[in-house]
Amino acid sequence: AQTVTQSQPEMSVQEAETVTLSCTYDTSENNYYLFWYKQPPSRQMILVIRQEAYKQQNATENRFSVNFQKAAKSFSLKISDSQLGDTAMYFCAFLEYSGAGSYQLTFGKGTKLSVIP
Amino acid sequence: DTGVSQNPRHKITKRGQNVTFRCDPISEHNRLYWYRQTLGQGPEFLTYFQNEAQLEKSRLLSDRFSAERPKGSFSTLEIQRTEQGDSAMYLCASSSTGPRTAFFGQGTRLTVV
Repeated sequence: AQTVTQSQPEMSVQEAETVTLSCTYDTSENNYYLFWYKQPPSRQMILVIRQEAYKQQNATENRFSVNFQKAAKSFSLKISDSQLGDTAMYFCAFLEYSGAGSYQLTFGKGTKLSVIP
Repeated sequence: DTGVSQNPRHKITKRGQNVTFRCDPISEHNRLYWYRQTLGQGPEFLTYFQNEAQLEKSRLLSDRFSAERPKGSFSTLEIQRTEQGDSAMYLCASSSTGPRTAFFGQGTRLTVV
């Protein structure tokens, strides 16, 4: 079974600064998909960014970018110009084909990010 | 609203009672996931449907839990003989065919007293 590890339970960052959240995963597959989700205190999970493993180029969405290191099985999220609204739990997630038409989506335990004014 | 909808948002029940939650996915999505999330933890996979077929079921899902998606549209998750350890947020997500992004509902918070 695949595992997703987020080694930073909590982090904080000053408003307007940059912060990087870490994620590592374990798989023997070559084709898979990685995601970062954000869960604000209202608790609805929102997609932040998505990366296909077959793409070498790192995904970017406005202030959010990833550093995808396939050989190292590492997928970190960088948030630039942090805003108060970025305060949330951030979950790294891994999607791979598990056979018979099924896809398995596995989450890490999350990193609680606090943006300090 | 065309997002994933879950009902009820909150449920308080006495230990030993049965509860049922409903999830309405995004209309064109044929894949549907159920997850359980306890405070401060990541979502734990419970079960997965493609259309009406339940393709995967976690070992976390004891025989007190059952899920259905009768016509490949909405899904229900039933917990029988609830226990205090069942208290959690139950999340539903849906996606379209292939390795697509899953979109989540707001969840149903269950409290067993």
